[in-house]
Amino acid sequence: EAGVVQSPRYKIIEKKQPVAFWCNPISGHNTLYWYLQNLGQGPELLIRYENEEAVDDSQLPKDRFSAERLKGVDSTLKIQPAELGDSAVYLCASSLVPSGEQYFGPGTRLTVT
Amino acid sequence: GENVEQHPSTLSVQEGDSAVIKCTYSDSASNYFPWYKQELGKGPQLIIDIRSNVGEKKDQRIAVTLNKTAKHFSLHITETQPEDSAVYFCAASDPGGFKTIFGAGTRLFVKA
Repeated sequence: EAGVVQSPRYKIIEKKQPVAFWCNPISGHNTLYWYLQNLGQGPELLIRYENEEAVDDSQLPKDRFSAERLKGVDSTLKIQPAELGDSAVYLCASSLVPSGEQYFGPGTRLTVT
Repeated sequence: GENVEQHPSTLSVQEGDSAVIKCTYSDSASNYFPWYKQELGKGPQLIIDIRSNVGEKKDQRIAVTLNKTAKHFSLHITETQPEDSAVYFCAASDPGGFKTIFGAGTRLFVKA
């Protein structure tokens, strides 16, 4: 069974430019998470989806970040405009149910110059 | 808010020795405690988890213990091998799975 797929794996952009990350969760997993991981730290939740509904986006900086999960499957996380402090790894995870085990993708490493 | 503290931040052991990583959590309502292993350039991988209705769980060389009264849980790796070298994260989750809080991680080095 395929795991969580993310693309791109690496992205380098200049500040003020837009960027988008894509995630394809494990088939049948209704819950999808986007996490931010800074260097040397644990993942921090940005947004959680139950099917196509964003049920927890309290940690998402809504002035520059947006996310969508069309048809309750794939999801896209966007930053516009990017800032230097956005340089980090963006992880996507999915679980069968909200309280179940989370499976992570390989992440997208973003560098903003 | 919920907080998870993890110690030590770095751990170096000789191959074959045991390694222990400890975590404490603040929200007494937490009832699910997973442990993840993250290798360089990869996402965290679930290695073992425990729910609050049990005190200990073991899977081959790894085990996790939970003390709900003290609000702490630990990861034990026995007979460590060089391939165990990675960053390990503990986490605590509320009953509904609405929020999972991760520790800051422990970088484990296993010297051959």
